[in-house]
Amino acid sequence: QVQLVQSGAEVKKPGASVKVSCEPSGYPFTAYYIHWVRQAPGQELEWMGLINPNDDGTNYAREFQGRLTITSDTSIKTAYMELTSLKSDDTAVYYCAREGTGAFDHWGQGTLVTVSS
Amino acid sequence: QAGLTQPPSVSKGLRQTATVTCTGSSNNIGRQGAAWLQQHQGHPPKLLSYRNNDRPSGISERVSASRSGNTASLTITGLQPEDEGDYYCSAWDRGLSAWVFGGGTKLTVL
Repeated sequence: QVQLVQSGAEVKKPGASVKVSCEPSGYPFTAYYIHWVRQAPGQELEWMGLINPNDDGTNYAREFQGRLTITSDTSIKTAYMELTSLKSDDTAVYYCAREGTGAFDHWGQGTLVTVSS
Repeated sequence: QAGLTQPPSVSKGLRQTATVTCTGSSNNIGRQGAAWLQQHQGHPPKLLSYRNNDRPSGISERVSASRSGNTASLTITGLQPEDEGDYYCSAWDRGLSAWVFGGGTKLTVL
């Protein structure tokens, strides 16, 4: 069955960077886009960006341009999301999700990133 | 600020029917429709419906979706306690070249 397994919770200081991994299984890694979506405490879902693991093409939400880098490593079938210059309002649960048939059809379990001094 | 507009909350009685709406524009819902997600507290979202009314395997037939112009709707019939949760719509926005979500609707089953 399709699963996306993410790395564990992180605590970072303001100004630092965080890198979260997402390891899908149960399907060909390069066949589907991987997206990153975050959710601040008690807030709605916010789309951050995507990667096409087949050619490493990316698309980022305007709000994160310059701070966000999404990469993938096909040799170990893992996608990564790196966010730099962290601020307190970057505290959120970060999810990776697979895009299938025009929707986010499978999600990772989420990674809590806490930004605090 | 969410790109799509949903009511913050909907409350209905057990075994009744609830409808959640999601309003966008001709750049998103009006072009390609919306997908719907359900989220329970502390869990990742789960896909309920895509391409307006296709359901992934395992999703109850009590769930249906539709679209009229720039507004998408999710209807759940025969409400059960496990239907309580937050519901989000999502769509690709051609103008923004980005995915957008609704602000979420909290469904309460009385």
